[in-house]
Amino acid sequence: EDQVTQSPEALRLQEGESSSLNCSYTVSGLRGLFWYRQDPGKGPEFLFTLYSAGEEKEKERLKATLTKKESFLHITAPKPEDSATYLCAVRMNYGGATNKLIFGTGTLLAVQP
Amino acid sequence: DAGVIQSPRHEVTEMGQEVTLRCKPISGHDYLFWYRQTMMRGLELLIYFNNNVPIDDSGMPEDRFSAKMPNASFSTLKIQPSEPRDSAVYFCASRHGDGYTFGSGTRLTVV
Repeated sequence: EDQVTQSPEALRLQEGESSSLNCSYTVSGLRGLFWYRQDPGKGPEFLFTLYSAGEEKEKERLKATLTKKESFLHITAPKPEDSATYLCAVRMNYGGATNKLIFGTGTLLAVQP
Repeated sequence: DAGVIQSPRHEVTEMGQEVTLRCKPISGHDYLFWYRQTMMRGLELLIYFNNNVPIDDSGMPEDRFSAKMPNASFSTLKIQPSEPRDSAVYFCASRHGDGYTFGSGTRLTVV
């Protein structure tokens, strides 16, 4: 069964304290792995798409990496405004599943000043 | 572009009443998705359309839920009759290529 698991469920960091969020997936064929940020009361906001193992993408203090089984979202020297829920989703490459995003349950990140 | 527009933002209704959620996708996007988000289950796909045609409704929880897309700029998700366990945030998303864009959601509370 296709599955996406995120850890930890919640993470509290001090401002400037770098860390990583994990997204592990078990799918028959990966077409793309997506990272989204979600603020309270808002919809998910797109951050990155990764397509193949070894790929990395960066945006400000965030860097996403991908292996054959998992993805990491590295947060370097976070600031309070990075506080949000970070969602991982996969898009498969077979049949009707190619059009769907399957989401993990997210990591709630709180960065304290 | 104004993005994906959903209405209403909040809806409170009594059990047994009909509820209709609305979505206007981004112009030019050929796919539209309806998701439901709860604390317990996260984001779950309910149904999606391609060029206004429903493709996969396997995520629709039961017959009380129905969705339509009469044209490329409008979709509805209807719940009739509503139940307290339907309380959740419902998101609409549209897609062109690999770009999935979500609306701000409708928070539904059924009392």
